[in-house]
Amino acid sequence: QKEVEQDPGPLSVPEGAIVSLNCTYSNSAFQYFMWYRQYSRKGPELLMYTYSSGNKEDGRFTAQVDKSSKYISLFIRDSQPSDSATYLCAMSVLTGGSYIPTFGRGTSLIVHP
Amino acid sequence: NAGVTQTPKFQVLKTGQSMTLQCAQDMNHNSMYWYRQDPGMGLRLIYYSASEGTTDKGEVPNGYNVSRLNKREFSLRLESAAPSQTSVYFCASTTPGGNTIYFGEGSWLTVV
Repeated sequence: QKEVEQDPGPLSVPEGAIVSLNCTYSNSAFQYFMWYRQYSRKGPELLMYTYSSGNKEDGRFTAQVDKSSKYISLFIRDSQPSDSATYLCAMSVLTGGSYIPTFGRGTSLIVHP
Repeated sequence: NAGVTQTPKFQVLKTGQSMTLQCAQDMNHNSMYWYRQDPGMGLRLIYYSASEGTTDKGEVPNGYNVSRLNKREFSLRLESAAPSQTSVYFCASTTPGGNTIYFGEGSWLTVV
């Protein structure tokens, strides 16, 4: 079992829908929880990060962390075709002086007009 | 501000050939990483370097070597390429607090 589990999808939604992306994890030592967006043939780029349990909002995006359940979510409101990409969750823990990020496999999102 | 720069972007190798992927960051980050990304497997850590002069193995280090040349540069070497090393390789660096990872644009490697 991988430390971070993420459903690969694809997830197909109509424009304007609310999208929910999720990851579960097994390592309770993880300290930072991040969401990355990756367009085809590009490197991942950071969307949001959180440190503690609870919600964090940035525009149309809300990241949610539930440490007791080892479960994180990313919600996208009013989804747009430009949101079509692969979304990767990532978590990091301090190991030997360096934060080691571990990634989920990514969920492919398709927003159709 | 270039961020993380990696070269080459595309490379085709024959089995048994060697090559080095170069990576440089201009953000004064201590920690740098090499990942490979394969369909259905996500990003897997090959090697990382917590600081200049140190390197450590990640999840999939076999067949690779790394060099942290200085604070800016972290290279990945394939000594004897195998078809199983066909992949997309990403170099990355993190902020001191570990909460933001910056990626390069990727290097597409095909071993035939």
